[in-house]
Amino acid sequence: QSVLTQPPSVSAAPGQKVTISCSGSSSNIGNNYVSWYQQVPGTAPKLLIYENNKRPSGIPDRFSGSKSGTSATLGITGLQTGDEADYYCGTWDSSLSSGGGVFGGGTKLTVL
Amino acid sequence: VQLQESGPGLVKPSETLSLTCTVSGGSISSSYWSWIRQPPGKGLEWIGYIYYSGNTNYNPSLKSRVTISVDTSKNQFSLKLSSVTAADTAVYYCARGQRGGDYWGQGTLVTVSS
Repeated sequence: QSVLTQPPSVSAAPGQKVTISCSGSSSNIGNNYVSWYQQVPGTAPKLLIYENNKRPSGIPDRFSGSKSGTSATLGITGLQTGDEADYYCGTWDSSLSSGGGVFGGGTKLTVL
Repeated sequence: VQLQESGPGLVKPSETLSLTCTVSGGSISSSYWSWIRQPPGKGLEWIGYIYYSGNTNYNPSLKSRVTISVDTSKNQFSLKLSSVTAADTAVYYCARGQRGGDYWGQGTLVTVSS
């Protein structure tokens, strides 16, 4: 049972837009930055979004992030077959004395 | 910056899992460094982080069994997980940042089995 809740799967056609949600609480998403990662099976996670909505160098602007209250959303426009992967949200959880990193359970994106 | 995990791929139950992450292309003395694992077919689990100065923070669920250390002279940091069971079988990743970040190692599969 992950601290952050993501839908297990989403799907859309090439060229379309998809959003992936990540729901948490005031001790994590509500008061901390959110990151998003893309993981192609068999490879390491790749940072897509940090500090809620910033993209590292080299990440296309088809990928966007937003946060509102205790939820965050990853948006992907102009879907490509190469976007098929698992997507994870992550943040800090301050509910314990020293805090800790937490992740969502992951969302499998299928590009139909 | 490149990260590379190394260590045994097979560990016996009740023994200690030991992994090292070697950082190249940059200095370890400038950031936080973390360990994250992923059981087969499952999601990511944060294990803990270390700052180059030696300050650490661990996942409460693993805290009693985890030690992360740093060797700045070798540009390496390490993970030790004691009293392992089959539930500790996973791909172990090292990464830059407190909870993962912009650079990750390729991951190494550690299987706990007799």
